[in-house]
Amino acid sequence: DQQVKQNSPSLSVQEGRISILNCDYTNSMFDYFLWYKKYPAEGPTFLISISSIKDKNEDGRFTVFLNKSAKHLSLHIVPSQPGDSAVYFCAASGRGTGTASKLTFGTGTRLQVTL
Amino acid sequence: KAGVTQTPRYLIKTRGQQVTLSCSPISGHRSVSWYQQTPGQGLQFLFEYFSETQRNKGNFPGRFSGRQFSNSRSEMNVSTLELGDSALYLCASSLAGTTGTDTQYFGPGTRLTVL
Repeated sequence: DQQVKQNSPSLSVQEGRISILNCDYTNSMFDYFLWYKKYPAEGPTFLISISSIKDKNEDGRFTVFLNKSAKHLSLHIVPSQPGDSAVYFCAASGRGTGTASKLTFGTGTRLQVTL
Repeated sequence: KAGVTQTPRYLIKTRGQQVTLSCSPISGHRSVSWYQQTPGQGLQFLFEYFSETQRNKGNFPGRFSGRQFSNSRSEMNVSTLELGDSALYLCASSLAGTTGTDTQYFGPGTRLTVL
């Protein structure tokens, strides 16, 4: 049972344009969401997070939007740069379930930023 | 501040052997979680340790075990290795992992190959 889903395995965007990565979840007990960026053979690098009490969080070029009613979140990268090319994972945790430390990951979206 | 470190980075074992992986968390972090990444299953939660006690556990067989020391360093052990245990094993640390907004930071991982 895939509780966190990233339905687009890959995405290609031109440099300077906006990249939008999507993530859906099914467990209503999730209340904290994170995005990680990962290069091959390396550990995930934390990018940005959002608590369920918010619907938007910004950090530089990265913005995460949360739509709780739709159980959907998205990561916007503006402007996209070639160095952003990597696999992006959405992750969720649920304090209410007593498992705040257990992250459930999506399957990842490979972003390629072209020149 | 130094990041999460994992040793060794690469390991080759044969079926039936056992292996021990080590993780040193970020200074001041007391929670250590372990994840397995495989191409087929993605990133999956193994277990989490806090104050030398296992606080959460994922759906892995008992061959997978771990422990945490008083300095928060953690080890995981896999006994009677199977071919399917070949994976990237990732360690993540966080301050306490209880608030639901406690970000986990990952190490570079240990690549285990079972022949």
